[in-house]
Amino acid sequence: GAGVSQSPSNKVTEKGKDVELRCDPISGHTALYWYRQRLGQGLEFLIYFQGNSAPDKSGLPSDRFSAERTGESVSTLTIQRTQQEDSAVYLCASSFKALGATEAFFGQGTRLTVV
Amino acid sequence: AQSVTQPDIHITVSEGASLELRCNYSYGATPYLFWYVQSPGQGLQLLLKYFSGDTLVQGIKGFEAEFKRSQSSFNLRKPSVHWSDAAEYFCAVGAGSSASKIIFGSGTRLSIRP
Repeated sequence: GAGVSQSPSNKVTEKGKDVELRCDPISGHTALYWYRQRLGQGLEFLIYFQGNSAPDKSGLPSDRFSAERTGESVSTLTIQRTQQEDSAVYLCASSFKALGATEAFFGQGTRLTVV
Repeated sequence: AQSVTQPDIHITVSEGASLELRCNYSYGATPYLFWYVQSPGQGLQLLLKYFSGDTLVQGIKGFEAEFKRSQSSFNLRKPSVHWSDAAEYFCAVGAGSSASKIIFGSGTRLSIRP
């Protein structure tokens, strides 16, 4: 596609429910990242996929968070048993390879509100 | 551990005035460094990046940044700001193997005084 696409753009969920956030990277981009941005805060690294390598999950805040990526295409971030502190904008980015070597392109984000 | 510090949470400058946003990083090796801008309702956009070579880097929209190893800094500058530059600015460092993990600062919000 023309850019990184994320869906939904907004999600309101009840505490305790599970949510799935989707990211469609730019076609051909091998690297994909998820970040979390709480209100007024910087970007918090969550997880990184690079080709067929094992993902770097070191930023996932708890075992309620998980992410998958099918090949070099779509990724889903799943949050189980959502809590109010999960409320944030979740940003996805993709690049041709490791972020340090090329520019990362960000999606518009999914704004998650847990009530 | 790698980290990025942006000491200024909010800066206000007059339109046409010069701008400098501060960024300090902590990383053991030569870092990859970035500045991103996030305008209201917009996604994050890369302004410029430093990987190696010339320590003064030119970016889009008239921005530049200078890598100073001795000060562990990568400050962003613009000689004359425009009202459209009002946004949130994030400094970031690429760390780890092949800079595969990028760490962001907490951001500096820039307001422009007419």
